[in-house]
Amino acid sequence: ETGVTQSPTHLIKTRGQQVTLRCSSQSGHNTVSWYQQALGQGPQFIFQYYREEENGRGNFPPRFSGLQFPNYSSELNVNALELDDSALYLCASSSPSDRSLAKNIQYFGAGTRLSVL
Amino acid sequence: AQSVTQLGSHVSVSEGALVLLRCNYSSSVPPYLFWYVQYPNQGLQLLLKYTTGATLVKGINGFEAEFKKSETSFHLTKPSAHMSDAAEYFCAVTGGRAFGNEKLTFGTGTRLTIIP
Repeated sequence: ETGVTQSPTHLIKTRGQQVTLRCSSQSGHNTVSWYQQALGQGPQFIFQYYREEENGRGNFPPRFSGLQFPNYSSELNVNALELDDSALYLCASSSPSDRSLAKNIQYFGAGTRLSVL
Repeated sequence: AQSVTQLGSHVSVSEGALVLLRCNYSSSVPPYLFWYVQYPNQGLQLLLKYTTGATLVKGINGFEAEFKKSETSFHLTKPSAHMSDAAEYFCAVTGGRAFGNEKLTFGTGTRLTIIP
């Protein structure tokens, strides 16, 4: 059973550029969540995808967008990069065992560290 | 809405001493509570979780936590610290049983240092 994998591990962009981060969920998981972790802070929820549809969004502007594919892998896209977007971006996958998603464990990848210059 | 407060951004304990990391939560619905650990340059690993039932939960690596509703707390403890416990620890809460309410709200973390 493979875990959650993210690519790339590190990325350097300049202000105003666009970036795409990728996540492969753990085998059998149909839910993917994305989090932003700024230096010295806890992760902040960006959004979640369940069976290819957005299923909740945090307080992030529309220039943060995502996709989930039929194989449940996911992308996070950020347009018009700003300096404050520099952070570790974490992807987590889970698989609801019943109608309550909340108690299901989220398994995290190692993250993509994005630096915006 | 949920929130988490972790008291103490840095905690240092001697090897073999008790580890106590504090977490208080706020939730408008019955919470599900989690502790995650993050080692340098790695993602988050689940230590333990509380959903319903027994309020004292045991996790991996000898850690345990007790859910105290009256105190809105979920403190993490380990009887005897080991050098390998040095890491960043995050307390997190979700909104309970509502379908689709899986968003994790994290605290700001506590960096645990173990003194040889």
